[in-house]
Amino acid sequence: GEDVEQSLFLSVREGDSSVINCTYTDSSSTYLYWYKQEPGAGLQLLTYIFSNMDMKQDQRLTVLLNKKDKHLSLRIADTQTGDSAIYFCAESDRAYSGGGADGLTFGKGTHLIIQP
Amino acid sequence: DAGVTQSPTHLIKTRGQQVTLRCSPKSGHDTVSWYQQALGQGPQFIFQYYEEEERQRGNFPDRFSGHQFPNYSSELNVNALLLGDSALYLCASSLMLYREAQHFGDGTRLSIL
Repeated sequence: GEDVEQSLFLSVREGDSSVINCTYTDSSSTYLYWYKQEPGAGLQLLTYIFSNMDMKQDQRLTVLLNKKDKHLSLRIADTQTGDSAIYFCAESDRAYSGGGADGLTFGKGTHLIIQP
Repeated sequence: DAGVTQSPTHLIKTRGQQVTLRCSPKSGHDTVSWYQQALGQGPQFIFQYYEEEERQRGNFPDRFSGHQFPNYSSELNVNALLLGDSALYLCASSLMLYREAQHFGDGTRLSIL
């Protein structure tokens, strides 16, 4: 079945770049997403990338996709204390019914810890 | 522009009871998906509703059922509650036509005693 793997923790110094990695197994994944979850809150969509793209940049966020290795990464430049949260990688498979945003498969999340 | 809203915020039930959770999608969205997030885990997909019908379902038993109303809002019903149903239940909405990414609400925290 589909599986999404992430490291559980990442610790970085404030001002450095953070790189959160994710691997997935479903070769038919068409969209890959990054969500952020702060304590006691729901999921905030950060960015997403279509499987025919290699890279996407949005302000401090850069997403890299290596489709051959089924590896996705999220780079956060100039990491701030407000970036402290759990980051989830998720994938969807359009093959299900040919349309729409299908049910997502999530990893267990990476806790990003910011050191002063 | 209101985002996805869920009610109630917290709920406490006992084993064997039934519960109904509610979700209003983001303005302009027509598709609602439900997820269960156990403590320390990523969200697990329960099912998705579009045009008032269940369009896709994850690996959850029939005790989990849902409904979508003509105004696109949705309910999640869980019967015969088990201790293992304790979790954060998240609703997400999207627009089917343009394959928009799913936007999540803040969830309902369900505790089973």
